[in-house]
Formats: sequence, structure tokens, C-alpha cells
Amino acid sequence: GENVEQHPSTLSVQEGDSAVIKCTYSDSASNYFPWYKQELGKGPQLIIDIRSNVGEKKDQRIAVTLNKTAKHFSLHITETQPEDSAVYFCAASQGYSTLTFGKGTMLLVSP
Amino acid sequence: EAGVAQSPRYKIIEKRQSVAFWCNPISGHATLYWYQQILGQGPKLLIQFQNNGVVDDSQLPKDRFSAERLKGVDSTLKIQPAKLEDSAVYLCASSLVLQGNNEQFFGPGTRLTVL
Repeated sequence: GENVEQHPSTLSVQEGDSAVIKCTYSDSASNYFPWYKQELGKGPQLIIDIRSNVGEKKDQRIAVTLNKTAKHFSLHITETQPEDSAVYFCAASQGYSTLTFGKGTMLLVSP
Repeated sequence: EAGVAQSPRYKIIEKRQSVAFWCNPISGHATLYWYQQILGQGPKLLIQFQNNGVVDDSQLPKDRFSAERLKGVDSTLKIQPAKLEDSAVYLCASSLVLQGNNEQFFGPGTRLTVL
């Protein structure tokens, strides 16, 4: 089955800096890669996703890049703000299969 | 629109006791998922329903866990008997259709502590 590795496990940045979280996956058939943000006491919430026919996608301060050859994808957050502090999860799936999540990255943005 | 509802939010039980969790998905969502999220890890799928039928329960420990979605709307997840290692947050999610690339909407979860 699919295996998703996520790094780093924790990331501390100063407000205004950029943050990058990286994930690798094992199943070359995977074609859907969402990113979820989970705040304390809440369920994960989709923030951006990318499909295998696209190399990069951007939504305001967040962007995701995908390298299918290397089987890795990354989340980029620019101009970080304290409210970006949360746990971020990457995931992968293909077709009708279920999502396989990474272990998460705790992002701490200091004012 | 209302989100995915779950209850209770917190539950503390002793090992070997039984417990049940309830989920009400977003109206009109055909697919419902139950995930187990152990502290410090990502959600792991336990069972997936399409309407009232099971699509995937390959990772459900069937000797102690059971789930149903009788009328294709609400769902319950039961653990009987509970073990210490069942301590986790149990998340329910729903999506419009059965597709791996269809957005899943998560509820707030039920935090289970087994003593």
C-alpha cells in the first residue's frame, strides 16, 4: 500500500518568514495530493490540493508543488502569520482508494 | 451549511468497557469515513461507507470494533471491549461522492481515553 513520509515533524519560524513542508510517497499510481491544517481540538481542514497533471498550484499565501518523477510534493507558506500555527498533514491517494496521511508537521509562528 | 457533527467530544472509560461514537455527516454526502488519530500521528482510516454499504474496512480491528450506517446518513462506531491502545481521537469525515480526489470534510472528533 501507499506510504507517505513527511518532514520536518516540527517547524518554528518568525512571523513574516516562509515555511516549507515536504512529503514523499511510495505508490507511483497516486494522483491526488491534498494538504490539511489541523488546529487544536478541531478536525483537519483542507487548505489546498494538487492533482498529478499539475506541477504547481497557488492560493494566496500558500502553494503546493509536485514532482511525480521524484514522488515528492511540498507545501509553501509565505509571509507566515501567528494564525498559521497548527499541525499540517499531507496525504496521497489514487482513484477510488482512501487517503494515506503523513505523520504531520507542527508549525509554530512566533510574533 | 452545517458541518460534520460528532458526539460525544470526550470520553473516558476503563479497559474492557465498551464505548460508542456517533457521527452525522454533511447533508447529501454519500460517503462517510471513520478515522483513528493517535497522538502525534496522522489520521488512519478505519472504515469507509458509501451510502449504507461498506467500501473499505480492511484496517478495522473487527474483533473489537464495529460500525454501521443503517439508513445511509448517521453512523455509529463501537469498541467492545476497549484496550489501552485504543486511546486516540476518532474522526468522522464525509464527502459528496466516492472518489479519492473528492474533498473530505472532517468533524471535530471524539477524544477517547482508556484507563
